[in-house]
Amino acid sequence: AQSVTQLDSHVSVSEGTPVLLRCNYSSSYSPSLFWYVQHPNKGLQLLLKYTSAATLVKGINGFEAEFKKSETSFHLTKPSAHMSDAAEYFCVVSDRGLTGGGNKLTFGTGTQLKVEL
Amino acid sequence: DADVTQTPRNRITKTGKRIMLECSQTKGHDRMYWYRQDPGLGLRLIYYSFDVKDINKGEISDGYSVSRQAQAKFSLSLESAIPNQTALYFCATSDRDGTSGLFQETQYFGPGTRLLVL
Repeated sequence: AQSVTQLDSHVSVSEGTPVLLRCNYSSSYSPSLFWYVQHPNKGLQLLLKYTSAATLVKGINGFEAEFKKSETSFHLTKPSAHMSDAAEYFCVVSDRGLTGGGNKLTFGTGTQLKVEL
Repeated sequence: DADVTQTPRNRITKTGKRIMLECSQTKGHDRMYWYRQDPGLGLRLIYYSFDVKDINKGEISDGYSVSRQAQAKFSLSLESAIPNQTALYFCATSDRDGTSGLFQETQYFGPGTRLLVL
């Protein structure tokens, strides 16, 4: 069975400083991994996804994540935080598991990012 | 215009009432999903459908039913709402992409429906 652990439920940074949101996963297969962002009263927006093509994945708004198989991690980073980055972030693992051949997504419990002036 | 829309965006109902949440998409995707989000629990899959004639239960389907009226429409019903169904509900779609590898489909989410059951 697959699982995702987001190691911090809340992260607070100052504007202009680096962001690190941590995610560990477990999967029986070689999974795909995603990061989604949820701004207040908005749906989930895809930030980036890993699909085995390259271990360092670049996403939108300056975010990137590195897949480390040996550490079963997929941490999300950004060099310089902006006020508009304040949101909730979800790490997601995609694995086999739905009837009909579809992907089963397992969501982490989310990390709330706060950006202060 | 949004690719995945949900109506209503907010709903308050009473215990025992029947309620329907609707989802429409203009992405042309075959696959549609319903999730619920509870604080501190992430999103959990309620039902999914891979085409108009295909309906499958997710991990928390008890107390819910769905209808896939067309490729673009997927509705979620609570036959007799109860307070622990108070949550944020999301619809999502994905495309069956024959060129991508296993597990690589991206799901696209609607804005959510916030439901309060009193």
